[in-house]
Amino acid sequence: GENVEQHPSTLSVQEGDSAVIKCTYSDSASNYFPWYKQELGKGPQLIIDIRSNVGEKKDQRIAVTLNKTAKHFSLHITETQPEDSAVYFCAAWGGTGGTSYGKLTFGQGTILTVHP
Amino acid sequence: IAGITQAPTSQILAAGRRMTLRCTQDMRHNAMYWYRQDLGLGLRLIHYSNTAGTTGKGEVPDGYSVSRANTDDFPLTLASAVPSQTSVYFCASSGDSDSPLHFGNGTRLTVT
Repeated sequence: GENVEQHPSTLSVQEGDSAVIKCTYSDSASNYFPWYKQELGKGPQLIIDIRSNVGEKKDQRIAVTLNKTAKHFSLHITETQPEDSAVYFCAAWGGTGGTSYGKLTFGQGTILTVHP
Repeated sequence: IAGITQAPTSQILAAGRRMTLRCTQDMRHNAMYWYRQDLGLGLRLIHYSNTAGTTGKGEVPDGYSVSRANTDDFPLTLASAVPSQTSVYFCASSGDSDSPLHFGNGTRLTVT
């Protein structure tokens, strides 16, 4: 089955700096890669996603890049703000593991802290 | 506000007891899922349901069962709780096979 590795596990930046979180996946058939943000006491919320037919997607201060050849994708947050502090999860979907519904495999998570 | 409602928000349970975690969605999504979240392990799929009347096993199904009698409800049952089932449990739903997942706010379960 799919295996997703996420790095780093913790990331600390100063307000205004950029933050980058990287994920690798194992199943070359995966074709959908969402990123989730989880705030304390809440469920994960989708912040951006990318499909395998594009290499980069941007939404204001966040962007995701995908390299299908190398099987890795990254989340980029520019001009970080204290409210960006949260746990971020990457995920990969659409591999070869049977029924495709809900076959999202998550990374282990990155705790991002933005210091004012 | 449309979304997913989970209950209870937290629970302390004695080992060996039976427990049902409730999940209701009002978005008329076809697919629903149960994940558990453990530190350092991310989110792992327990069971899922593609549509009402069908269920399937995820990555860590042992010790858990689910049912999907209608579109809106997807309860998760622990028949005989064990301490290793101490975790935060999230219910999620999606409209189509490759649509984003919408998560509830979780149930924090402690088995003593």
